[in-house]
Amino acid sequence: EAGVAQSPRYKIIEKRQSVAFWCNPISGHATLYWYQQILGQGPKLLIQFQNNGVVDDSQLPKDRFSAERLKGVDSTLKIQPAKLEDSAVYLCASSFLAGGDYNEQFFGPGTRLTVL
Amino acid sequence: QKEVEQDPGPLSVPEGAIVSLNCTYSNSAFQYFMWYRQYSRKGPELLMYTYSSGNKEDGRFTAQVDKSSKYISLFIRDSQPSDSATYLCAMGGATNKLIFGTGTLLAVQP
Repeated sequence: EAGVAQSPRYKIIEKRQSVAFWCNPISGHATLYWYQQILGQGPKLLIQFQNNGVVDDSQLPKDRFSAERLKGVDSTLKIQPAKLEDSAVYLCASSFLAGGDYNEQFFGPGTRLTVL
Repeated sequence: QKEVEQDPGPLSVPEGAIVSLNCTYSNSAFQYFMWYRQYSRKGPELLMYTYSSGNKEDGRFTAQVDKSSKYISLFIRDSQPSDSATYLCAMGGATNKLIFGTGTLLAVQP
């Protein structure tokens, strides 16, 4: 079974520039998550999709971050404009479903963003 | 107060040692409790999860949950250099939303 794919793996930009990350979840997984992991911290959920609808975006800085999941499969996360504090690893995860019993979340390798 | 507290370490032990990793939490609504392992420059991978208070064993790993004290632990027996990684506790509820600890960096010295 292929895992969660993410690209690019690394990105370096200057502050105020824009950047986009792409995620392809495991085939058949209805739920997709984007996490931000700052160095020395655990992942923090930014947004959760169920198919192509948003379930939770309470911690997404909506003035600069946006995400979409067209057709309920791939997803993109965008930052515009980037700030120094956005330097982090952005992790994408997917699970078969969400709700009720726990559904294991499978993580991709992440995109490491450095904002200079 | 953070919802989940985890000692960040780092922790360095000799090969063969027993390792104890711990987290405390404040939210009584958490229904399931997990330990993830994260190797450098990789995504987290699920190691163990449990719903209820008590112990769960899988090979060299034992997860322990005490809901009355809001405390969870992970024990690693006969630790190996390949166990060197960051260990993240995580907790969740009905929506599958996970709250992670800060992670504990473990180094097992050969």
